[in-house]
Amino acid sequence: DQQVKQNSPSLSVQEGRISILNCDYTNSMFDYFLWYKKYPAEGPTFLISISSIKDKNEDGRFTVFLNKSAKHLSLHIVPSQPGDSAVYFCAARPDRGGGSNYKLTFGKGTLLTVNP
Amino acid sequence: GAGVSQSPRYKVAKRGQDVALRCDPISGHVSLFWYQQALGQGPEFLTYFQNEAQLDKSGLPSDRFFAERPEGSVSTLKIQRTQQEDSAVYLCASSLTYYTDTQYFGPGTRLTVL
Repeated sequence: DQQVKQNSPSLSVQEGRISILNCDYTNSMFDYFLWYKKYPAEGPTFLISISSIKDKNEDGRFTVFLNKSAKHLSLHIVPSQPGDSAVYFCAARPDRGGGSNYKLTFGKGTLLTVNP
Repeated sequence: GAGVSQSPRYKVAKRGQDVALRCDPISGHVSLFWYQQALGQGPEFLTYFQNEAQLDKSGLPSDRFFAERPEGSVSTLKIQRTQQEDSAVYLCASSLTYYTDTQYFGPGTRLTVL
């Protein structure tokens, strides 16, 4: 069963507009969430993260929002640039105080295409 | 080196052959992870090392998969008697400490079993 779900396989936006990538999770033990970006033939690169004690984290053009009650998070990219075109993976891990808190569970990814 | 490196980048094996995939983590990183990424899927956890100790191998699909990190640095993932379902990209990641959130990934080894 998919514990981290990215239901949109792909997303296309115009340069300069907002990109919104969504992620849902089912495991209540998850309390730290990360977004990774992946270009073809490269490994995933860490982008931004958020702890469950927050509902928003911002880093430049990238903002992640967390709705813990809905078990939903989203990544906003504003403004979108052609160089942002990549696959974006949502990942989650359990609570720091529990076991296996190093183990990341990934979604299937969303391919973002930003058109000039 | 500046990042995690993996070799070979591409490997083609005939069904039944043994393969060995190498990972060089970022210097000084204590934790090392292996993931398997099948086509169209996200990476899936295979195993975790803290220095030379393999603390978690719960994700290894079968006893044909074996990983080691004898000196707490370079790691090797070995797959014996490869099967077609083993075809995937194998990603290695390292992180500075056990508690560090950020795992830094290598480019992966794409294994194709014919």
